[in-house]
Amino acid sequence: KQEVTQIPAALSVPEGENLVLNCSFTDSAIYNLQWFRQDPGKGLTSLLLIQSSQREQTSGRLNASLDKSSGRSTLYIAASQPGDSATYLCALPRGRDDKIIFGKGTRLHILP
Amino acid sequence: KAGVTQTPRYLIKTRGQQVTLSCSPISGHRSVSWYQQTPGQGLQFLFEYFSETQRNKGNFPGRFSGRQFSNSRSEMNVSTLELGDSALYLCASSPDRGGYTFGSGTRLTVV
Repeated sequence: KQEVTQIPAALSVPEGENLVLNCSFTDSAIYNLQWFRQDPGKGLTSLLLIQSSQREQTSGRLNASLDKSSGRSTLYIAASQPGDSATYLCALPRGRDDKIIFGKGTRLHILP
Repeated sequence: KAGVTQTPRYLIKTRGQQVTLSCSPISGHRSVSWYQQTPGQGLQFLFEYFSETQRNKGNFPGRFSGRQFSNSRSEMNVSTLELGDSALYLCASSPDRGGYTFGSGTRLTVV
């Protein structure tokens, strides 16, 4: 059974710092991996989608990597800003049983 | 290109009533899935529809049901509402085997 773990559960860093959020999964038979952010009370906004054949994806200050063999993905945020404060969720859109599975998220707070 | 549209945005219902939520996916997306999000349980998968057929189902009681129409729009119905059904209900659409795009959600409060 696929399990997705995100560490840390919460993180506070000063503005301007670079940071890394971690996501690990137990079953490497995945089609792709997707990172989302969620602001309080709102829906999920897709940040990056990495196909299983890719090693990384970049969008602006965000870079996500995928290592299927070790069951890990990282989301790197460069030069963090207060507007980056949100909960970041890692999801495996198509697991072996074809169900999307979410991690519990990392709650990020960027200190001005 | 229009995103995923969920209606209504907010709902207040009393225990025992039923409710229907609507989701219009991105044009061309045939998969629509539904999720319940609560502070205690996080995001939980309810069910997924693909081409009008339920393709997958989470571990929710039979009071939760859904359907998908030929234009891919989907509805979710909850009957005999309980206080514990208060949650943010999210809908997502995707092309088959692609990434997901979420709507803004419907906030349901049961009193």
